[in-house]
Amino acid sequence: GAVVSQHPSRVICKSGTSVKIECRSLDFQATTMFWYRQFPKQSLMLMATSNEGSKATYEQGVEKDKFLINHASLTLSTLTVTSAHPEDSSFYICSARDPTGGRNEQYFGPGTRLTVT
Amino acid sequence: AQKITQTQPGMFVQEKEAVTLDCTYDTSDPSYGLFWYKQPSSGEMIFLIYQGSYDQQNATEGRYSLNFQKARKSANLVISASQLGDSAMYFCAMREPNTGNQFYFGTGTSLTVIP
Repeated sequence: GAVVSQHPSRVICKSGTSVKIECRSLDFQATTMFWYRQFPKQSLMLMATSNEGSKATYEQGVEKDKFLINHASLTLSTLTVTSAHPEDSSFYICSARDPTGGRNEQYFGPGTRLTVT
Repeated sequence: AQKITQTQPGMFVQEKEAVTLDCTYDTSDPSYGLFWYKQPSSGEMIFLIYQGSYDQQNATEGRYSLNFQKARKSANLVISASQLGDSAMYFCAMREPNTGNQFYFGTGTSLTVIP
């Protein structure tokens, strides 16, 4: 099946710094990528929808100035957590939609565990 | 209203037995897709099975089958012959084309297989 990678898989940063997470679709072109956040023992919460070449669409309650999303190419979307705080510590998962697939399935990356100290 | 409801926060099953994980959904869109994902402790989301709203037959993928009851808006996952490696979180999800194909996830069910 299709593969989506995320980098880094784990990151620890100090409060006040910024962290960039990359999401790549390795064998298909993803016009749409999604970013999710997951707290321990909870479900995935959609943060934003990232469309190649246009601005991301953020879900209600998600600060667009804090969570910067860039979808510069058909295979890469990045999420930058700016001025990170301990409450931003979470598991961040991206997914990419393969528009050629009959089910419009989303393929998930392996996730990035962010810890802000 | 919740789009996807999973009412079982935790389930236990004996190894080699079958288990059913419940999922109900809410949509007014006639076209939608239903998915089940497994999330082990490593965090990756593993696709298990898909059911389209127009599919006439219940989906099956190996030991996984989906009990699709359209009138009741339920899409329960049945795992047959449970294995220890099946212990994980299981999420039911729905995709609606009218909302940009975003996924709506349920709160998940934690399955523990007992040896």
